Amino acid sequence: EAGVTQSPTHLIKTRGQQATLRCSPISGHTSVYWYQQALGLGLQFLLWYDEGEERNRGNFPPRFSGRQFPNYSSELNVNALELEDSALYLCASCIRQGNQPQHFGDGTRLSIL
Amino acid sequence: AQSVTQLDSHVSVSEGTPVLLRCNYSSSYSPSLFWYVQHPNKGLQLLLKYTSAATLVKGINGFEAEFKKSETSFHLTKPSAHMSDAAEYFCVVSVMNTGFQKLVFGTGTRLLVSP
Repeated sequence: EAGVTQSPTHLIKTRGQQATLRCSPISGHTSVYWYQQALGLGLQFLLWYDEGEERNRGNFPPRFSGRQFPNYSSELNVNALELEDSALYLCASCIRQGNQPQHFGDGTRLSIL
Repeated sequence: AQSVTQLDSHVSVSEGTPVLLRCNYSSSYSPSLFWYVQHPNKGLQLLLKYTSAATLVKGINGFEAEFKKSETSFHLTKPSAHMSDAAEYFCVVSVMNTGFQKLVFGTGTRLLVSP
């Protein structure tokens, strides 16, 4: 079974630009979660998508947004990039029923210059 | 409210010696608990999960954890450390709320393994 895949592996942007990160969940998983792992801040929940809809979001400004496609893959968009957005962005997928564990991809390292 | 405390930010062991990574949790409900491992520049890999079945949970790569309700603990152990075990380990409490799975992460324990 293929795991969660994320692209690109690394992304370098400058302040004010926009970034798009992509995630393909494990086959059969309808829920996709996005997390930010910044140095010294631990893992912070960003967004949850299920069945094509945004279901919940963490304490992040609206310039963090995304969508989920009919095949359950997902995009995370970050607009008006700021230096503090530099982080590892992790995507995780799971089935919605029960308290099953989330399965994580290897992340996209976003660096803002 | 749910919370997780990983009692050690760093643990150093020698190869071949036992590993103990400590985790205490706080949860208003019967919790689901996970341990994940993160190697440098990688995502989180699930080591094992507790979901109210057996209190002793066996995971991958020889790791296991014991759920102790009276002590609100879920410590991770391995009988013999290997160099490849050097990584960051996260204890996680999972709470479901109308389909939303909220994961509460510990701050992580970095395991250092020396030859």
